[in-house]
Amino acid sequence: AQTVTQSQPEMSVQEAETVTLSCTYDTSESDYYLFWYKQPPSRQMILVIRQEAYKQQNATENRFSVNFQKAAKSFSLKISDSQLGDAAMYFCARFTYQGAQKLVFGQGTRLTINP
Amino acid sequence: DGGITQSPKYLFRKEGQNVTLSCEQNLNHDAMYWYRQDPGQGLRLIYYSQIVNDFQKGDIAEGYSVSREKKESFPLTVTSAQKNPTAFYLCASSINTTPAKPQHFGDGTRLSIL
Repeated sequence: AQTVTQSQPEMSVQEAETVTLSCTYDTSESDYYLFWYKQPPSRQMILVIRQEAYKQQNATENRFSVNFQKAAKSFSLKISDSQLGDAAMYFCARFTYQGAQKLVFGQGTRLTINP
Repeated sequence: DGGITQSPKYLFRKEGQNVTLSCEQNLNHDAMYWYRQDPGQGLRLIYYSQIVNDFQKGDIAEGYSVSREKKESFPLTVTSAQKNPTAFYLCASSINTTPAKPQHFGDGTRLSIL
């Protein structure tokens, strides 16, 4: 099965500190894309960061960065200098070309920021 | 401003009734998608369309139907055959279906059973 697993249903962090959200996935494809989406209380899905599997360099977007370990099929998200506005559900997703070309989502991690 | 508009925000369905969720985009995107989100779960793909007058089933298409008569519009009908329709529904669009082009999401419609 082409699954994406987020093993942390909930995480919390103090404002201004760093937090890492975990994600592992299963795939038989050699080339694929990985994503982290943020869903705040408004429920809109917002793209946070994207990683192309053939690129060894980890993607970075301002305070957000990933640790992509292709052999381990691991794709964690690090949020530095956490802000109150970072509080949201975070979903890891992988794009698959097998069958319907689609995003396969994990179950999500709820991140709470403590002031 | 360009974006995706879903309506209504909240919708209630009676037993045996079909209901239609609207999704409109003014981003000039070719590809559009419908996802279902249940509590404690990620999004699951219902249907997607790569181009006008064409669409394909996703993972959970049973009990749903779609049409794509215009580039801007991709309505989803939840039929009476869908026995557990209570969920949050998200529409998305992208320039095309390649992963290099990210999907943009609407604000969603929450569907409940009366």
